[in-house]
Amino acid sequence: TQLLEQSPQFLSIQEGENLTVYCNSSSVFSSLQWYRQEPGEGPVLLVTVVTGGEVKKLKRLTFQFGDARKDSSLHITAAQPGDTGLYLCAGRTGTASKLTFGTGTRLQVTL
Amino acid sequence: EAGVAQSPRYKIIEKRQSVAFWCNPISGHATLYWYQQILGQGPKLLIQFQNNGVVDDSQLPKDRFSAERLKGVDSTLKIQPAKLEDSAVYLCASSRTGTDNQPQHFGDGTRLSIL
Repeated sequence: TQLLEQSPQFLSIQEGENLTVYCNSSSVFSSLQWYRQEPGEGPVLLVTVVTGGEVKKLKRLTFQFGDARKDSSLHITAAQPGDTGLYLCAGRTGTASKLTFGTGTRLQVTL
Repeated sequence: EAGVAQSPRYKIIEKRQSVAFWCNPISGHATLYWYQQILGQGPKLLIQFQNNGVVDDSQLPKDRFSAERLKGVDSTLKIQPAKLEDSAVYLCASSRTGTDNQPQHFGDGTRLSIL
């Protein structure tokens, strides 16, 4: 069973602060996705990274896939209340479509 | 395009009762997934369908859970009998194909509470 551990588990920050969320595993993934989930809704895909060392930016969000494809990070610059939610990483091995989700990081951004 | 539709949104039952959830995927999506998300955790895949065939049900507790997608479109997930530990949100997702990095589109889930 592949495990994806996310840290921190909870994060409460003020608007304008920067933060980084980590996703770590002992397994190698062919690709890794990040999702955001708001209360009462399903997860929504933010990004997919497939190449070791790859960096992708989505406005104030920066995603990086580790060189060995075992870990990933999500950095948010100047967080806003709209960034509040549960952030989930999810890895895929080989060409299979099965996703293994991480343990999640719950982010709260206050004014 | 319309998203993944799930019903009901909420369900409260007593332990040992049975319950069923329904999912209608995005039109044209061949692959359908059922996930269980326990409070404070990430979703866990229960079963994956490719059209009307099961691709992966390795984490489905088959003694009490069953799922079908008879016509390769909508799907139902059933629990019989329910246990307290089944309290969770049940998410349905669909993707165009079951390969590569096709994005999975999630419904808003059914929140199940077992008394």
